[in-house]
Amino acid sequence: DIQMTQSPSSLSASVGDRVTITCRASQNINNDLNWYQQKPGKAPKVLIYASSSLQSGVPSRFSGSGSGTDFTLTISSLQPEDFASYYCQQSYNTPRTFGQGTKVEIK
Amino acid sequence: EVKLVESGGGLVQPGGSLRLSCAASGFTFSSYWMHWVRQVTGKGLVWVSRINSDGYSITYADSVKGRFTISRDNAKNTLYLQMNSLRVEDTAVYFCARELVTKSNRFDPWGQGTLVTVSS
Repeated sequence: DIQMTQSPSSLSASVGDRVTITCRASQNINNDLNWYQQKPGKAPKVLIYASSSLQSGVPSRFSGSGSGTDFTLTISSLQPEDFASYYCQQSYNTPRTFGQGTKVEIK
Repeated sequence: EVKLVESGGGLVQPGGSLRLSCAASGFTFSSYWMHWVRQVTGKGLVWVSRINSDGYSITYADSVKGRFTISRDNAKNTLYLQMNSLRVEDTAVYFCARELVTKSNRFDPWGQGTLVTVSS
């Protein structure tokens, strides 16, 4: 199975900050990397697919980059509604493994 | 509106069984692969199982292989997860999700989740 490692596991930031979350795959997954946002008590929602493609309806302050084994999710200017947990997921093969998550908290 | 609604969760004793359902609406259910993902309270997302569009290709996580069975009824637009020999460590919220394959594969949408508690 492909292991996905996210960092950091949590971070504190202020509204307006630029936030970067990284995800590393245990083997080459090309650009088959998705990012999800999950708020407490809710289902996850896809933000970014194929490493850098923005899902329809997702604000443009979210962006993704990377290929191979190293990937990044960036929030250009953190908004109050962005405080949540974020997960990467590889879609290169099955099982569709997830990273352990990054919790973004208010500073 | 594309929607998934899970049901069937509840409290069950260790060694017991439970069947989860995921009712789909707003899209052609029979055209999509479907997945189950679980999440222990306060922890991360863990993939459990997937089934292809016609139900003939199935994969499980090692942790549930031999105990859980995924299936689907395309006539009823419903996905199932039969869970047998349940363990305390199976306690989690279980989500169903559609695999969207436009340009790339991702899970969209997800259901709201159903809580399974395994406890004596």
